[in-house]
Amino acid sequence: DAGVTQSPTHLIKTRGQQVTLRCSPKSGHDTVSWYQQALGQGPQFIFQYYEEEERQRGNFPDRFSGHQFPNYSSELNVNALLLGDSALYLCASSRPGLNGYGYTFGSGTRLTVV
Amino acid sequence: KQEVTQIPAALSVPEGENLVLNCSFTDSAIYNLQWFRQDPGKGLTSLLLIQSSQREQTSGRLNASLDKSSGRSTLYIAASQPGDSATYLCAVSPGRGAGANNLFFGTGTRLTVIP
Repeated sequence: DAGVTQSPTHLIKTRGQQVTLRCSPKSGHDTVSWYQQALGQGPQFIFQYYEEEERQRGNFPDRFSGHQFPNYSSELNVNALLLGDSALYLCASSRPGLNGYGYTFGSGTRLTVV
Repeated sequence: KQEVTQIPAALSVPEGENLVLNCSFTDSAIYNLQWFRQDPGKGLTSLLLIQSSQREQTSGRLNASLDKSSGRSTLYIAASQPGDSATYLCAVSPGRGAGANNLFFGTGTRLTVIP
């Protein structure tokens, strides 16, 4: 049973560019959340997608946007990259409609903005 | 806003020792609490999930307890091994209200087990 799959694993972008990160949820999961983890910090919630809609959003600017596809996979897009966007981006999926079963995380995408 | 604190920030112990990691949260209205392990530069591996109605969960050498009313959880690791070296994160899920659908994380405890 495949877990949460994220691609790419590493990415280097130049300030001002745009980036797209991808996530495939664990089989049987339909809810996808994205987190940003700066070095030495705990993950910070970006947003969550359910039924192809953004269900909740954390304290991140509009430069961060996302999408969920009918097969429940998801993309995170970041526009006008800043040096401060350098971080590990984690995708998490959960079981249908319920947070009570916990979250399964992927291995993350390491984004470096230079 | 929910705030999660983990103490200590770093811990170094000799192999074989039993140890306790602490997690505290400011808002006791949580849905569940989850402990994760993170190896350097890697994603999160779920260790234990405790529902708000539960007091503890066990998996192998790991035991997590939850005292919701006091806003505290502990992760007990028995007979530590060098392979346990990692950062341990706790996260709470509010389950309702603002932030209902996201996890609030602490900054983690970096554990080193010395052979």
